[in-house]
Amino acid sequence: AQSVTQPDIHITVSEGASLELRCNYSYGATPYLFWYVQSPGQGLQLLLKYFSGDTLVQGIKGFEAEFKRSQSSFNLRKPSVHWSDAAEYFCAVGDPGRRALTFGSGTRLQVQP
Amino acid sequence: DAGVIQSPRHEVTEMGQEVTLRCKPISGHNSLFWYRQTMMRGLELLIYFNNNVPIDDSGMPEDRFSAKMPNASFSTLKIQPSEPRDSAVYFCASSFTGLTGGYSNQPQHFGDGTRLSIL
Repeated sequence: AQSVTQPDIHITVSEGASLELRCNYSYGATPYLFWYVQSPGQGLQLLLKYFSGDTLVQGIKGFEAEFKRSQSSFNLRKPSVHWSDAAEYFCAVGDPGRRALTFGSGTRLQVQP
Repeated sequence: DAGVIQSPRHEVTEMGQEVTLRCKPISGHNSLFWYRQTMMRGLELLIYFNNNVPIDDSGMPEDRFSAKMPNASFSTLKIQPSEPRDSAVYFCASSFTGLTGGYSNQPQHFGDGTRLSIL
């Protein structure tokens, strides 16, 4: 069975600084990979997804993620963080055999002025 | 475009009462998912439907939980009787799954959730 690990429970960055959120997955083949963001009191919103092809994918709100097969990672990045990016971020893995998504435990991002 | 609509947004009730959560998926989507989110367990998939048919309910915690999807535009999650440990935020999500695709490669669109408190 696949699994997803987000090793950082909580991250604090200064506004304007760069950001990298880590995601590691366990799966035998190339999985489908997603990043979602959840603002307080709201549901999850899709930021970006990777299925195949170019390993660097662009998403909404200036986010990007890079798939690295050798490291089983799909880290989320943003070159300059805005205060409105403060939220919780979830990495998710799709396994065709299981036919549903598995979500990581989430990383809460705090942005300091 | 209207997103996934859940009601109520908040529900507070006493232990032992029946609770019904409602969801209207995005028009045209044929897969519907119910999740539960708690601090302790994170985001858990409870059940999902495809073309109104339950596909996998292995995440449903116990017999007190039941879910139905009588048509393509409506689903309910019912808890009877409710217990304090059922307190959580319940999310509904929907997606479109093609004839040959699985459910796991389609982005899911989430509602804003129902915050349930059982006293």
